[in-house]
Amino acid sequence: AQSVTQLDSQVPVFEEAPVELRCNYSSSVSVYLFWYVQYPNQGLQLLLKYLSGSTLVKGINGFEAEFNKSQTSFHLRKPSVHISDTAEYFCAVSRSSNTGKLIFGQGTTLQVKP
Amino acid sequence: DAGITQSPRHKVTETGTPVTLRCHQTENHRYMYWYRQDPGHGLRLIHYSYGVKDTDKGEVSDGYSVSRSKTEDFLLTLESATSSQTSVYFCAIAPQSYEQYFGPGTRLTVT
Repeated sequence: AQSVTQLDSQVPVFEEAPVELRCNYSSSVSVYLFWYVQYPNQGLQLLLKYLSGSTLVKGINGFEAEFNKSQTSFHLRKPSVHISDTAEYFCAVSRSSNTGKLIFGQGTTLQVKP
Repeated sequence: DAGITQSPRHKVTETGTPVTLRCHQTENHRYMYWYRQDPGHGLRLIHYSYGVKDTDKGEVSDGYSVSRSKTEDFLLTLESATSSQTSVYFCAIAPQSYEQYFGPGTRLTVT
């Protein structure tokens, strides 16, 4: 079975500072990895995904993530955050061979301060 | 936004009553999913469908049933609602199994 751990429940950061949201997963089989963002009172929006190939994945809104197989991590980064990035971020994993069932982490609230 | 709607968007119901939530898509995607979101748990999969009349259980399926008689509609039913089913419910659709698009959610309160 797969599991996902987001290591920080809340991350406060000042505007224009860099940020990293940490995600570790466990799985005995190959996986797909995802980051989703949820703005208040909205559904989830896909930020980026890793399916195969290059371990550095670029997504929307200037976010990127790096897949590290040896450390079973998929950390999300942005070099300079904006107030509008304030949201909850979810890391998720699915087996690469199944029907797309996603296992989500508990979420990390990114709070960008002026 | 992907063409996905959920209805109702908000519902308050009493313990023991049946409740049906509807997910409707205009994308003709094969895969559809129901999740619930609770604080500290992220989202957890309730049921999913990989085609008309083809459904399967997720990790928190007890107390829930689903039906998919048409490609565009995926219904989630709580046969007898309990307070533990108070949650925000999200539907997702996917053209392939690995890229899901989420609806706006339904906030359900069971009193």
